[in-house]
Amino acid sequence: SQTIHQWPATLVQPVGSPLSLECTVEGTSNPNLYWYRQAAGRGLQLLFYSVGIGQISSEVPQNLSASRPQDRQFILSSKKLLLSDSGFYLCAWSEGTWASTDTQYFGPGTRLTVL
Amino acid sequence: AQSVTQLGSHVSVSEGALVLLRCNYSSSVPPYLFWYVQYPNQGLQLLLKYTTGATLVKGINGFEAEFKKSETSFHLTKPSAHMSDAAEYFCAVTLTGANNLFFGTGTRLTVIP
Repeated sequence: SQTIHQWPATLVQPVGSPLSLECTVEGTSNPNLYWYRQAAGRGLQLLFYSVGIGQISSEVPQNLSASRPQDRQFILSSKKLLLSDSGFYLCAWSEGTWASTDTQYFGPGTRLTVL
Repeated sequence: AQSVTQLGSHVSVSEGALVLLRCNYSSSVPPYLFWYVQYPNQGLQLLLKYTTGATLVKGINGFEAEFKKSETSFHLTKPSAHMSDAAEYFCAVTLTGANNLFFGTGTRLTVIP
């Protein structure tokens, strides 16, 4: 069966510090991968998605970047964190068929607090 | 453009009572619709989804939802609430050929003993 991991689970970082959040998927090949941010009372916002190694699409302009160095690894990064980057970050995957009906499966999330 | 509106950011029901969580969508073409549940400090878990075919969709944990095109709605229901149903629920929509799920702002369900 497939599983998705995210770490760390929680993170407290000062403004201006760098960020690296990691997501890995097991039990599937060539998945589509997604990074979402959930801000309090605002639902989920898609930040990045990837259909393959090195292929990243950004949905919103922001202080963050994403990379996919391996087939089942997705990394969210920032060079300098802002207060507004605080939130709950969720990684998700779906089958790599690119069908809209494909279910997205979510990881446990990382709660980031920027002080 | 497609979007989802969830009416009621907080809903409280008594244990054993009917659960009704409302979701209305906006889409120029037939949508695909999803309901997810999120327990505290956890990721999202799929409850059910509608793609095509039967408009009444049954999901896990006794939940079901009905796609009503005329009302542009996809409300989530459960006949009898359990304490374990307390969580946040998200409705989401996507379209044919799209790769983005558009989520509503969520409804927090409280179950009163």
